[in-house]
Amino acid sequence: QQQVRQSPQSLTVWEGGTTVLTCSYEDSTFNYFPWYQQFPGEGPALLISILSVSDKKEDGRFTTFFNKREKKLSLHIIDSQPGDSATYFCAASVSNYNVLYFGSGTKLTVEP
Amino acid sequence: EAAVTQSPRNKVAVTGGKVTLSCNQTNNHNNMYWYRQDTGHGLRLIHYSYGAGSTEKGDIPDGYKASRPSQENFSLILELATPSQTSVYFCASGEGTGGIEQYFGPGTRLTVL
Repeated sequence: QQQVRQSPQSLTVWEGGTTVLTCSYEDSTFNYFPWYQQFPGEGPALLISILSVSDKKEDGRFTTFFNKREKKLSLHIIDSQPGDSATYFCAASVSNYNVLYFGSGTKLTVEP
Repeated sequence: EAAVTQSPRNKVAVTGGKVTLSCNQTNNHNNMYWYRQDTGHGLRLIHYSYGAGSTEKGDIPDGYKASRPSQENFSLILELATPSQTSVYFCASGEGTGGIEQYFGPGTRLTVL
């Protein structure tokens, strides 16, 4: 049973556009939701994270939204750049637990 | 300096052979993890560890063993490698209050022929 579902599997946007990636989860005890960014040939790296006590967190051009009622989260990238081309993973966990459950990833391509 | 390193970076093994993937971290994190990454499946947890001497099963432990002889080192062992274990393997270390942050190594590409 997949704990975290992510969509779309792949996405292409034009430079300067807004990217929206979405995830949903099953376990209502999850309260910590990080997003990881992975470039080809590298390991994933933490991009941004949010706790369930918040509904929005911003870091520069990246914003993550959390909807507890619908058990959904999203990542918005404004003014998308070719350098943002990467695979993005959402994940979920209980904050005092040591295991993350990852979504299947979205491969983002930003065309100039 | 890279805080999580993996060796080898690439490995070709034969079916039925023994494979050991090694991971070293300089973050001084208690928690370490082994994942495999396959297209369409994202990152799937194989084994993890809370500290030296401990290993725990993740979501897909069958066919894999793990060893944590020290705080810094965490190995993944395939006693009898099979072609279905062809994948990219990532090691990570992690720590955090209010949500764990994991730091990943560069990955090992394993091909089992």
